[in-house]
Amino acid sequence: GAGVSQSPSNKVTEKGKDVELRCDPISGHTALYWYRQSLGQGLEFLIYFQGNSAPDKSGLPSDRFSAERTGGSVSTLTIQRTQQEDSAVYLCASQAGANTGELFFGEGSRLTVL
Amino acid sequence: RKEVEQDPGPFNVPEGATVAFNCTYSNSASQSFFWYRQDCRKEPKLLMSVYSSGNEDGRFTAQLNRASQYISLLIRDSKLSDSATYLCVPSRANTGFQKLVFGTGTRLLVSP
Repeated sequence: GAGVSQSPSNKVTEKGKDVELRCDPISGHTALYWYRQSLGQGLEFLIYFQGNSAPDKSGLPSDRFSAERTGGSVSTLTIQRTQQEDSAVYLCASQAGANTGELFFGEGSRLTVL
Repeated sequence: RKEVEQDPGPFNVPEGATVAFNCTYSNSASQSFFWYRQDCRKEPKLLMSVYSSGNEDGRFTAQLNRASQYISLLIRDSKLSDSATYLCVPSRANTGFQKLVFGTGTRLLVSP
């Protein structure tokens, strides 16, 4: 497809389990972002990849969270030993140009930790 | 001080009303500004970009006040379909790629 694709769209897991969320950005987009949005809250920045530069991990809430971007394209956000407070919608966005500011978002992965 | 601050609202207005809300930013190096619209349980989508003092697109007008470091979004003749959350994000343009931090958003409810 032409847009940002995220999977799974919904994930229910038990506390303590690991989860992987996938993001397929728009082809050719250099920058990729992960944000988290809890119910009724704003977008919380998690991590940002741009080209071959080291990712900006300053938003990751704990060392249970990690992300990779392989080959400058697909990205995986991994949450280890999930906690109930990790429940949220995880949004991925890609960006074509540095000065456009326009982010194209995927529909998100809704994570529920029981 | 937060990088980006917005009044969460909700702003409740009747159809046809004019409504405006502000977004304040702390980084004086911010050059470009973007308003995103987010419908309930949907992803944000770009509504408007502002690269100079302001921008107008139909019923929507964005105005930048650099001295006071805020940007406003004005919506004229509100429609029911304008009900959404409006997110602001500043950018230090011309410095290459950078982390984009969103405000918490302002919720608008337009009623019949």
